[in-house]
Amino acid sequence: NAGVTQTPKFQVLKTGQSMTLQCAQDMNHEYMSWYRQDPGMGLRLIHYSVGAGITDQGEVPNGYNVSRSTTEDFPLRLLSAAPSQTSVYFCASSFTGAGGWEQYFGPGTRLTVT
Amino acid sequence: SQQGEEDPQALSIQEGENATMNCSYKTSINNLQWYRQNSGRGLVHLILIRSNEREKHSGRLRVTLDTSKKSSSLLITASRAADTASYFCATDALNTGGFKTIFGAGTRLFVKA
Repeated sequence: NAGVTQTPKFQVLKTGQSMTLQCAQDMNHEYMSWYRQDPGMGLRLIHYSVGAGITDQGEVPNGYNVSRSTTEDFPLRLLSAAPSQTSVYFCASSFTGAGGWEQYFGPGTRLTVT
Repeated sequence: SQQGEEDPQALSIQEGENATMNCSYKTSINNLQWYRQNSGRGLVHLILIRSNEREKHSGRLRVTLDTSKKSSSLLITASRAADTASYFCATDALNTGGFKTIFGAGTRLFVKA
């Protein structure tokens, strides 16, 4: 199993550009989520999904869109990048509601918005 | 605001010593988890303790949970240089169905060889 994979590893965007961060898992997990991690801080939940076709907002959803058309994939779209979105983004998955199960994390995408 | 807060923010110890990290949270929870993050990497799950449990062990790790004080501690015994990492507690509030895990800011542990 590859686990949770994320692409790209690094990305530099100009303000106003859009892009999609990819996340895929091969563990047949129902639950997937996106977090951002800023320096000296823990992870903050952006969006999550409890299954294909079902998504919901986390703590900091503004400026981001998600969709879940398959169990395996959960892309995160930045609609119009802003410098405040400079961060490291982590995707995670687990069998069901993350609170009751361990989450498996991807290696992260380091995004810089200039 | 974040649910979990770790204390201390940073900890430096010698190899072989024990390391204790604390986590406090604000609302009633279903479960509490601890994760480790090596520099530049994703988080790795260490241990989960449910709200009806008071103590749990896994290898050199011991986790306690005091729901009356809304706090948890992670003890790493006989630390090694490889334990150098950031450690995060994560909680899910009772009314979120386990879908909104909230992470604290973490404790940075440095183990000197």
